[in-house]
Amino acid sequence: GEDVEQSLFLSVREGDSSVINCTYTDSSSTYLYWYKQEPGAGLQLLTYIFSNMDMKQDQRLTVLLNKKDKHLSLRIADTQTGDSAIYFCAEFDYKLSFGAGTTVTVRA
Amino acid sequence: DTEVTQTPKHLVMGMTNKKSLKCEQHMGHRAMYWYKQKAKKPPELMFVYSYEKLSINESVPSRFSPECPNSSLLNLHLHALQPEDSALYLCASSSGPLADLNEQFFGPGTRLTVL
Repeated sequence: GEDVEQSLFLSVREGDSSVINCTYTDSSSTYLYWYKQEPGAGLQLLTYIFSNMDMKQDQRLTVLLNKKDKHLSLRIADTQTGDSAIYFCAEFDYKLSFGAGTTVTVRA
Repeated sequence: DTEVTQTPKHLVMGMTNKKSLKCEQHMGHRAMYWYKQKAKKPPELMFVYSYEKLSINESVPSRFSPECPNSSLLNLHLHALQPEDSALYLCASSSGPLADLNEQFFGPGTRLTVL
């Protein structure tokens, strides 16, 4: 995970938007990924973006990709208590390399 | 069925024990993975099986021994583990190791404690 960096914690009020940021190093990655891990569970692929796209929207999720700065972000609109989890960004060369994970806490 | 199942959910073992972790998928996936995840850390890849053959071993100590009896099953045999091996062990599968998207489906994990 040392090649993929994320902020570690985010606290957000229910109903607000959450933005999770990530920087990566492997510019040859075809796809970049966001995985979600709820407490006591495995990882779930939340969304992904193809490397030649700038933005992808999927219901409440918006992924922004800035290839020049190697910066990836995930915006969750109308954050709910069920969104409390750890979010990992990841890149793939011969394996998935995960960032350290951002723990998102949603408060009422 | 998009589920990866793992057994047992929890395992406590002594340093002299031999135990096995099991993983199963019925999605027709041809790549299967073992990851180790320590608390508050991201998963770290241990092994990759591609078409039932070991294709990647990330320099894992020999006290961990993977086995892929068929395309649906993946085992991880444990012997003479150390307390620092205590972690969540995650299994995953994908359609193929070099599939374009490489979407990996994860099981819920086995929480291993080594005493």
